[in-house]
Amino acid sequence: AQTVTQSQPEMSVQEAETVTLSCTYDTSESDYYLFWYKQPPSRQMILVIRQEAYKQQNATENRFSVNFQKAAKSFSLKISDSQLGDAAMYFCAFANYGGSQGNLIFGKGTKLSVKP
Amino acid sequence: NAGVTQTPKFRILKIGQSMTLQCTQDMNHNYMYWYRQDPGMGLKLIYYSVGAGITDKGEVPNGYNVSRSTTEDFPLRLELAAPSQTSVYFCASTQGQGLYGYTFGSGTRLTVV
Repeated sequence: AQTVTQSQPEMSVQEAETVTLSCTYDTSESDYYLFWYKQPPSRQMILVIRQEAYKQQNATENRFSVNFQKAAKSFSLKISDSQLGDAAMYFCAFANYGGSQGNLIFGKGTKLSVKP
Repeated sequence: NAGVTQTPKFRILKIGQSMTLQCTQDMNHNYMYWYRQDPGMGLKLIYYSVGAGITDKGEVPNGYNVSRSTTEDFPLRLELAAPSQTSVYFCASTQGQGLYGYTFGSGTRLTVV
C-alpha cells in the first residue's frame, strides 16, 4: 500500500525568507503523480504544484518549486520569498497513474507559520 | 464558477440522526471522491466513484453510503450518526486520475453530539 509521510508537523519562516517542507512516500509503482496542496483557515484545498514521476525536471510555479528525488522517494516543497498569505496547512499527496481508484493519498500535513 | 459544490457547509447532528451531504460538479469529471479530515490528520478516503452507476469503498467506509446516479452528483449518506463521524468532509473530482488535477469542494464541517 502507498503511504505518504510528512515528518514536520509545524514549520515557521520569516517573511521574505525561504522554507522547505519535507515529504517522503512509499510505493512500488513507477508511474504516479505527486502534489502539494495548501489549506488555509478557509479550509479550501488549493493545488500548489504537481509533479509527474516520469519527468525528471522539477516542477515550479512562481515562488513554489519542488525537489523530486525519485530514487529516494522524496518530494520536498520550497517556498521562496515567503509571504504572510502563505501561512496554512500544506499537504503532500500521491496518486497512482492508471490505477483503478485514482484517489489521492495524503500525508498528515505541515502547519506553516509566517512571521512578519 | 465551474467546480465542485458541497452543501451544507456546517451541520450539527444528534446521535442516531441521518443526513445526506450533497456534492455536485459541473466539469463532466468521471472520478469523484469523498474524504474525511480529522484534526491533525490528512484526508482519508471514504468512498469513490469512477463513473455513473459505479461506486466502491475507500479506506474508512463504515457508517456511510453513497450513490452515483448521474455524472454530476455524488451524495454521501450518514444513516445513524455517531460522535466518531464528527469531522470535515470533502468531495473531490478529477477527469484523468491526476493528469489534469483534482478539484475539491469547500468542505462540510459536521458535528455529532
